[in-house]
Amino acid sequence: DAEITQSPRHKITETGRQVTLACHQTWNHNNMFWYRQDLGHGLRLIHYSYGVQDTNKGEVSDGYSVSRSNTEDLPLTLESAASSQTSVYFCASSGGSTSGSIASTDTQYFGPGTRLTVL
Amino acid sequence: GNSVTQMEGPVTLSEEAFLTINCTYTATGYPSLFWYVQYPGEGLQLLLKATKADDKGSNKGFEATYRKETTSFHLEKGSVQVSDSAVYFCAASGGSNYKLTFGKGTLLTVNP
Repeated sequence: DAEITQSPRHKITETGRQVTLACHQTWNHNNMFWYRQDLGHGLRLIHYSYGVQDTNKGEVSDGYSVSRSNTEDLPLTLESAASSQTSVYFCASSGGSTSGSIASTDTQYFGPGTRLTVL
Repeated sequence: GNSVTQMEGPVTLSEEAFLTINCTYTATGYPSLFWYVQYPGEGLQLLLKATKADDKGSNKGFEATYRKETTSFHLEKGSVQVSDSAVYFCAASGGSNYKLTFGKGTLLTVNP
């Protein structure tokens, strides 16, 4: 079965360190998204990509970057981790497959999340 | 841009009670509307969706009807179970840009 996975599931790091969170999907979806979830704020979009070599900033992109070198992966990098980036991070994917089969283009499928703590 | 407003929780019910979680949206065009559910320690799962006015989405006993005239997509279930305890998110699509706008979530706790 197709799925979307995230690693690690839990991460503790120190302020100032670079951290990369992995996201891998086997849906063959074109679109991928990164969100953070914080109490009182719901889900906020960090970055998103509509295909290989395409990346776009979301509403809370400062301090984060992404790159899309293939269809399956969209790693999220925190360039210099800050305590304000302690959060739960979710990756999601959606959209028609690159093989051309028809799928619902706006329904997003979520990974299990990564809990990041910055000390 | 789009915005989604859902009733704030937490909502606490007894088993077999009737559930309504209100959701309203503002959007240009005709968005698709979604309800997602998040169980403790997990990611969001699609619960149901509707893509046009008067459509009813349904799944696992939950229902929601796309009401264009009131810009609403309220979630209902006739008889909740303890296993329905979770956070529920309403969301609206952005049309051609594939982005979803989420409400802030409603925590539901069902007591036996």
